[in-house]
Amino acid sequence: GQQVMQIPQYQHVQEGEDFTTYCNSSTTLSNIQWYKQRPGGHPVFLIQLVKSGEVKKQKRLTFQFGEAKKNSSLHITATQTTDVGTYFCAEAAGNKLTFGGGTRVLVKP
Amino acid sequence: DTEVTQTPKHLVMGMTNKKSLKCEQHMGHRAMYWYKQKAKKPPELMFVYSYEKLSINESVPSRFSPECPNSSLLNLHLHALQPEDSALYLCASSPRGLGNQPQHFGDGTRLSIL
Repeated sequence: GQQVMQIPQYQHVQEGEDFTTYCNSSTTLSNIQWYKQRPGGHPVFLIQLVKSGEVKKQKRLTFQFGEAKKNSSLHITATQTTDVGTYFCAEAAGNKLTFGGGTRVLVKP
Repeated sequence: DTEVTQTPKHLVMGMTNKKSLKCEQHMGHRAMYWYKQKAKKPPELMFVYSYEKLSINESVPSRFSPECPNSSLLNLHLHALQPEDSALYLCASSPRGLGNQPQHFGDGTRLSIL
């Protein structure tokens, strides 16, 4: 079964507002990758987090790995219409990626 | 533009047909993957090839048969598929078959089984 759970499943955001999506696991994660899939598109790699408590930023996106390596979050500030899509976290272990269920983001202009 | 090329983009086939999906990358990656993605669901891993050898088969039915002719090419042969096999089939590659490397995905083949 799925090892990583993502919440929320859906996120309706007003343009300009901030939001956060969460990725949770009952077991310790070796590392976490985040992908974005635009409607009708394919997953695109965003970032990888490896260290406990790690924080990485990409422009308006902030990614965090929990201290216990059992959760991760993606925070987007000042949401734009280009942020529309599904954001997946994925545990990378061995040579496998196991995806969470994804957070589908809709932006209201 | 994606660096992983998949053909065809769309495929409609009957349950008795035999067809193949193709995937190509020229990034020198030595690990290649097949995923199945149903609508509004995450990609599900099917097969992993590492250095042209099958390293993971996620208990995929034998009506799906993968092939890796060389380090740049990955095929998925289809035979006697069922309607529930209709999905987006994604190919991906990574530099090595290690979990700590990002995967590069193709645009996928959207498959419909009649």
